[in-house]
Amino acid sequence: QSALTQPASVSGSPGQSITISCTGSSSDIGSYGLVSWYQQHPGKAPKFVIYEGTKRPSGVSPRFSGSKSGNTASLTISGLQTEDEADYYCCSYSGDTSLFVFGTGTKVTVL
Amino acid sequence: EAQLVESGGGLVQPGESLRLSCAASGFTLTTYWMHWVRQAPGKGPIWVSRINADGSSSEYADSVKGRFTLSRDNAKNTVYLQMRSLRAEDTAVYYCATSMVSQGIWGQGVQVIVSS
Repeated sequence: QSALTQPASVSGSPGQSITISCTGSSSDIGSYGLVSWYQQHPGKAPKFVIYEGTKRPSGVSPRFSGSKSGNTASLTISGLQTEDEADYYCCSYSGDTSLFVFGTGTKVTVL
Repeated sequence: EAQLVESGGGLVQPGESLRLSCAASGFTLTTYWMHWVRQAPGKGPIWVSRINADGSSSEYADSVKGRFTLSRDNAKNTVYLQMRSLRAEDTAVYYCATSMVSQGIWGQGVQVIVSS
């Protein structure tokens, strides 16, 4: 299974908004709203920040939001804060294989 | 508090076997599909396997198919990942989780190192 494509890095200043894209195909993101986004700090387990495309788990800041257009899902972090500096991964269900595929990962840097 | 705790990791030689456990506390695994994900050093997560709620069906990534077996004991609230014929490329932190794309719980991970 091929990984979903994410930009290697995205950066922004505190208070700014950034958007991370996750590009797949009509077999995964394009066909299903089953996309999640994970935040991972060094040495820690991945943590859900968005699930089922647009839903936010309880306890996750409303500054995190998810969307989808065609074969691309996006994660937007508004009002960027220093604690948002981490690696972010998308994950989607793939109808071709009935399995799951992760994105290549994006390192977010707060300038 | 609902949580998953993985155990059973360690250092093994290529070709050897290892069994990982994932125990749930604070909730019952009975109704959940369960997944394993691994993450090699410096790399992103890779989905490995999943098992349905009653343990009658499981699926695997191509990289582990035929070598890894996922099972569960709902009476013990535990899921097991039996890993055989381990290779250096299986070296990773292994996580169990109740979901990949819907709201769920992930464990903190267990380290597996395959090296001679």
